[in-house]
Amino acid sequence: AQRVTQPEKLLSVFKGAPVELKCNYSYSGSPELFWYVQYSRQRLQLLLRHISRESIKGFTADLNKGETSFHLKKPFAQEEDSAMYYCALSVHTSGTYKYIFGTGTRLKVLA
Amino acid sequence: GAGVSQSPSNKVTEKGKDVELRCDPISGHTALYWYRQSLGQGLEFLIYFQGNSAPDKSGLPSDRFSAERTGGSVSTLTIQRTQQEDSAVYLCASSLNGDRGIVQFFGPGTRLTVL
Repeated sequence: AQRVTQPEKLLSVFKGAPVELKCNYSYSGSPELFWYVQYSRQRLQLLLRHISRESIKGFTADLNKGETSFHLKKPFAQEEDSAMYYCALSVHTSGTYKYIFGTGTRLKVLA
Repeated sequence: GAGVSQSPSNKVTEKGKDVELRCDPISGHTALYWYRQSLGQGLEFLIYFQGNSAPDKSGLPSDRFSAERTGGSVSTLTIQRTQQEDSAVYLCASSLNGDRGIVQFFGPGTRLTVL
């Protein structure tokens, strides 16, 4: 079954501390993974995708096919990182691709 | 504007009434998605339109929910005989096509409250 699992509903860290938001997936094909973020009173938007291998706002995510994970990491959390984070998987279905989202993790960065 | 738009932004209705939610995708985007966002449930997939293909309705929670996409552009999500558990934020997203790894662009959502 195709599935994205984000085990933590809420993650609280202190400013300056490292943060890791966990994401595990289940998919028989070649995975295409994303992290989307929703800041307070803003739209859900793309944060990063694994094919770009980029660092956005200090966040990185590495695809680990052995562990079927795509955890989001930042070495030093900032208060402005407080938001809702969703991991997503692009899956092939009926000749096209659609998204499967995880249930999301709310990150709170404490002063 | 160039982004995805949704209307209304807020809708309060009484239990048992029908509601229609509208989504205007980014011009030229062939793929359109509806999601439901509620506390504790995260982002729940509802329906997916891609070009002229038959929509993927696998996420619709009951036959009270339906959606149309006219002319490959605007989409309407209809909820009949609304129930209190339908209260949520309904998000629409569009993407350029249904290719692998394509980015989705989200609208601001419609907050539905069923009294």
